[in-house]
Amino acid sequence: KAGVTQTPRYLIKTRGQQVTLSCSPISGHRSVSWYQQTPGQGLQFLFEYFSETQRNKGNFPGRFSGRQFSNSRSEMNVSTLELGDSALYLCASSLGGTDYQPQHFGDGTRLSIL
Amino acid sequence: AQSVTQLGSHVSVSEGALVLLRCNYSSSVPPYLFWYVQYPNQGLQLLLKYTSAATLVKGINGFEAEFKKSETSFHLTKPSAHMSDAAEYFCAVAFSGNTPLVFGKGTRLSVIA
Repeated sequence: KAGVTQTPRYLIKTRGQQVTLSCSPISGHRSVSWYQQTPGQGLQFLFEYFSETQRNKGNFPGRFSGRQFSNSRSEMNVSTLELGDSALYLCASSLGGTDYQPQHFGDGTRLSIL
Repeated sequence: AQSVTQLGSHVSVSEGALVLLRCNYSSSVPPYLFWYVQYPNQGLQLLLKYTSAATLVKGINGFEAEFKKSETSFHLTKPSAHMSDAAEYFCAVAFSGNTPLVFGKGTRLSVIA
């Protein structure tokens, strides 16, 4: 069974640009969550999508947005990039549903802002 | 605010020695508890999970964790460290169903030959 796939693995952008990251969940998983990992702040929750609807949202500015498609694949978009957006962005998928199911993580997209 | 605390940002042990990584959470209701491991340039891999079935949870690679409600703790242990255990370990908590995971700051484990 294939794991969570994130593309691209590495990305270099400049300030003011925008970027789109992609996440393909494990087959059958309907929940996709996004996290930002930095040395200073650690792992911070961005948002979660379940059945194409945003179910939970973290405390990030509106420049960070996401969406989920009918096949459960998800994209995350960051507009007007800032130097502080340099981070490892992790996607995690789970079955979702009413009872808590563990999340399975991809290897992440490392975003560097110049 | 609900939080997760991992004591010690860096733990160093000798090969073959006991590994003990500490995790405490703030909640009056037993939450869902997890330990993840992250190797360099990789994502997080689930080591084990507690979901109220048993207080002692066994995970992969010889790790186990014990849930202690009275101490609001979920410490991770392994009887004998191996060089391949060197990595960053994260304790994570979901305080109720379908709520986001809250992660501790992580503990970097070094294993000395």
